[in-house]
Amino acid sequence: DAGVIQSPRHEVTEMGQEVTLRCKPISGHDYLFWYRQTMMRGLELLIYFNNNVPIDDSGMPEDRFSAKMPNASFSTLKIQPSEPRDSAVYFCASSLNWGTQYFGPGTRLLVL
Amino acid sequence: AQKITQTQPGMFVQEKEAVTLDCTYDTSDQSYGLFWYKQPSSGEMIFLIYQGSYDEQNATEGRYSLNFQKARKSANLVISASQLGDSAMYFCAMRVRGTGNQFYFGTGTSLTVIP
Repeated sequence: DAGVIQSPRHEVTEMGQEVTLRCKPISGHDYLFWYRQTMMRGLELLIYFNNNVPIDDSGMPEDRFSAKMPNASFSTLKIQPSEPRDSAVYFCASSLNWGTQYFGPGTRLLVL
Repeated sequence: AQKITQTQPGMFVQEKEAVTLDCTYDTSDQSYGLFWYKQPSSGEMIFLIYQGSYDEQNATEGRYSLNFQKARKSANLVISASQLGDSAMYFCAMRVRGTGNQFYFGTGTSLTVIP
């Protein structure tokens, strides 16, 4: 059974460019989470969805960040415009109801 | 407020020895779950073990066990017979039903297994 799939695995971009991160949750899971991990701030929850509906986006740092979940098998996290301080590892995770969260491999983003 | 505390930023253990990683939590909710994740240097987050607040027995998964002391609000991870591959960051997390199923993560403990 496939786990959470994220793409791309690595992204290097220049400041000001748009970045789109993608996530495919585990089939049948009804919760999807986006996290950001940095050395300074640790693991931060950005936003999470339940049945494709955003429930809590209070962790989204600013308006440059947006997330969508058009269907149960796909979500995107977009940063526009990107800044060097956005450099981090971005994880997507999914869970069934309030069970265990399973994480994707992460996307390592470097904004130059 | 919900909170997870891991007070050990770094730990060392001799290979084949047991090690305990500390985790305390704070919630006023009665229904919650406690999780441990391992993050090796490759970066992925690997689920290790789960304990429900109503579970009477401590959870075990192979060499991992969770020492759940509800009155003390602690959920320590015990790794028996440490292996070199256990060297990683370990995160304790809590999910509280009353908060919309959000996860709360600790700051992690870095474990190094010494040959």
